[in-house]
Amino acid sequence: EMQLVESGGGLVQPGESLRLSCVVSGFIVNNNYMNWVRQAPGKGLEWVSTIYSGGDTYHADSVKGRFTISRDSAKNTLYLQMNSLRADDTAVYYCARDVNPYYYMDVWGKGTTVTVSS
Amino acid sequence: DIQMTQSPSSLSASVGDRVTITCRASQSISGYLNWYQQIPGRAPKVLIYAASSLQSGVPSRFSGSGSGTDFTFTISSLQPEDFATYYCQQSYSSPLTFGGGTKVEIK
Repeated sequence: EMQLVESGGGLVQPGESLRLSCVVSGFIVNNNYMNWVRQAPGKGLEWVSTIYSGGDTYHADSVKGRFTISRDSAKNTLYLQMNSLRADDTAVYYCARDVNPYYYMDVWGKGTTVTVSS
Repeated sequence: DIQMTQSPSSLSASVGDRVTITCRASQSISGYLNWYQQIPGRAPKVLIYAASSLQSGVPSRFSGSGSGTDFTFTISSLQPEDFATYYCQQSYSSPLTFGGGTKVEIK
């Protein structure tokens, strides 16, 4: 069974850092396109970052230069390093797998909550 | 960036009703349009991909159509478990973008 389990969320102050993890089971993280998608309280879905199977990475303008997506093949885990956190980064963060060739997200984790507040 | 405009933002309907949601892209996205359902407190779930393909295991009362810039999502006969928020998403180009969502509520 394919499963994604996020962790690493929490309460941090503005300017601090956090690293989210997404443990993948049932498929190989390196062989797939993987995403981070977030949802601020009471708001819609916002794409954050993607890592392609070949290793190329893409980030939304709102997080570019502050967030970095990466993966560890040995641990079959996806990461999101978040630096210089701001109040508007407060959200539930989901990891999700993309399916080629139409790039829809077919497997999602349950999410981890990040709260940025002083 | 491609903007996705969904309408309506909310609707009230009864069990058994036919429900239609539209999604318009700010430029052509061919058929790279996906629809998700989100129940409060839960992760999104893909229902329709590539504009009209039904994801495995999803009931056939859900359907999608369209290409280019205009897309439609339909629930043929609304069931109690369908009360949720629905999002369209374009996967034609980066950055991936979602519509603002349509909340389907019980009338």
